[in-house]
Amino acid sequence: QVQLQESGPGLVKPSETLSLICTVSGGSISAEYWSWVRQPPGKGLEWIGFIHYRGSTKYNPSLKSRVSISRDTSRNQLSLNLRSVTAADTAVYYCAIAPSTADAFKFWGPGTMVTVSP
Amino acid sequence: QSVLTQPPSVSAAPGQKVTISCSGSSSNIGNQYVSWYQQLPGTAPKLLIYDNTERPSGIPDRFSGSKSGTSATLGITGLQTGDEADYYCGTWDSSLSVVIFGGGTKLTVL
Repeated sequence: QVQLQESGPGLVKPSETLSLICTVSGGSISAEYWSWVRQPPGKGLEWIGFIHYRGSTKYNPSLKSRVSISRDTSRNQLSLNLRSVTAADTAVYYCAIAPSTADAFKFWGPGTMVTVSP
Repeated sequence: QSVLTQPPSVSAAPGQKVTISCSGSSSNIGNQYVSWYQQLPGTAPKLLIYDNTERPSGIPDRFSGSKSGTSATLGITGLQTGDEADYYCGTWDSSLSVVIFGGGTKLTVL
C-alpha cells in the first residue's frame, strides 16, 4: 500500500523560506505528475505546482516567482520550497500524485499544517 | 473567487440522491477532463471521479460524474450520513496553465 507523508517545520517566520518534503513509501508509483496542493484554514484547495516525471515543472502563476518543486527519485521524495512567506501562506500543505491526468490526484499525503508567524 | 463555480452547500435526506454542479468555461471544463474529490473533516481530499466519468477502484457506483459543455456534475445516490463532506471539482485551465479547483460544496445529509 503506497503511502505519502509530508514533513517539515510547522512554524515559519515571515520573509523566510518554507521547505517541505514528501516521502513515498510502500512501493513505487508509476505516475506523471507530482504536485503540491495547499488549503488555508477554512478555505478551498489551491494547486501550487507539479514536477513531471520527466523533470519539467509547472507552477501556479500566483506563486511562480517564489516556489520551486524538485524530486529525488533515489529517495522517493518530493520537495517544496516557498520563499518570502507571509501570513497568507499559512495553510495545510499536501503532496499529491496524479498518475496520468494533471488534475486527477489519486494519491495524497495526510497534509501538514504550516503557520507563518513571527 | 474560484474560476470554477460550485454551490456553497447542498442537502438531502438519507437514501436520496443529490447532484453538485461545477461551472467553468471553454478554457477549462469545456476542453479538459474533470475530477471530483471528497474531503471529510480533518482529512485529505479523496479522488472520487476522474476523466469526467471514471471511478478509481474502491469508489462505489453510488458516485457518478458527467459533463456537458462547460459544466460538470457529480451525482451521489443512496445518501448516507458518512457522505457528509466537502466536495470539490478540479480540472486544468489551458489559458491560465494551472490546475484549478472549484470553491467546494458542503453536503449535509439531513
